[in-house]
Amino acid sequence: DQQVKQNSPSLSVQEGRISILNCDYTNSMFDYFLWYKKYPAEGPTFLISISSIKDKNEDGRFTVFLNKSAKHLSLHIVPSQPGDSAVYFCAATGGGSNYKLTFGKGTLLTVNP
Amino acid sequence: KAGVTQTPRYLIKTRGQQVTLSCSPISGHRSVSWYQQTPGQGLQFLFEYFSETQRNKGNFPGRFSGRQFSNSRSEMNVSTLELGDSALYLCASSFSGAATNEKLFFGSGTQLSVL
Repeated sequence: DQQVKQNSPSLSVQEGRISILNCDYTNSMFDYFLWYKKYPAEGPTFLISISSIKDKNEDGRFTVFLNKSAKHLSLHIVPSQPGDSAVYFCAATGGGSNYKLTFGKGTLLTVNP
Repeated sequence: KAGVTQTPRYLIKTRGQQVTLSCSPISGHRSVSWYQQTPGQGLQFLFEYFSETQRNKGNFPGRFSGRQFSNSRSEMNVSTLELGDSALYLCASSFSGAATNEKLFFGSGTQLSVL
């Protein structure tokens, strides 16, 4: 039973355009959501997060949107840069499970010059 | 400030053997979590330790175990290795692991290959 789903295994965009990565969740108890970026041979690094009391959070080129009624969140990267090419993981926590993150399977983003 | 350190970086074992992986968290961090990453499966939670106590455990068989020492360093052990245990094992640390908005800091992982 996958509680966090990233249905697009890969995404390819042109440099300068917007990248939109999507994530769906099924557990209504999740109340905090995070995005991690992972380069090959490295561990994931924290990118941006959002609490369930908000519907949007921005950090520079990165914006995360949360639609609680649809149990859906998305990460927007504008403008996309070749250095953004990596695997992006959506993760969720909450509902008493603060000691662990539930991750999606990841989306490989390729930004073409 | 040094990051999360995992050793060894790569490991090759054969079926039936056992393996021990090590993780040194960021100084001052007392919560250590372990995750398994396999192709197409994302990161799956193994267990989390705080002050030498396991607070949460994922859905892995008993062959997977761990412990944490008084200096917060943690080890993970897998006994009777199976081919399906081949994966990248990631360790993550945080200050307490208890606050909802705490970030996890990951190490580079140990790539385990079981032949």
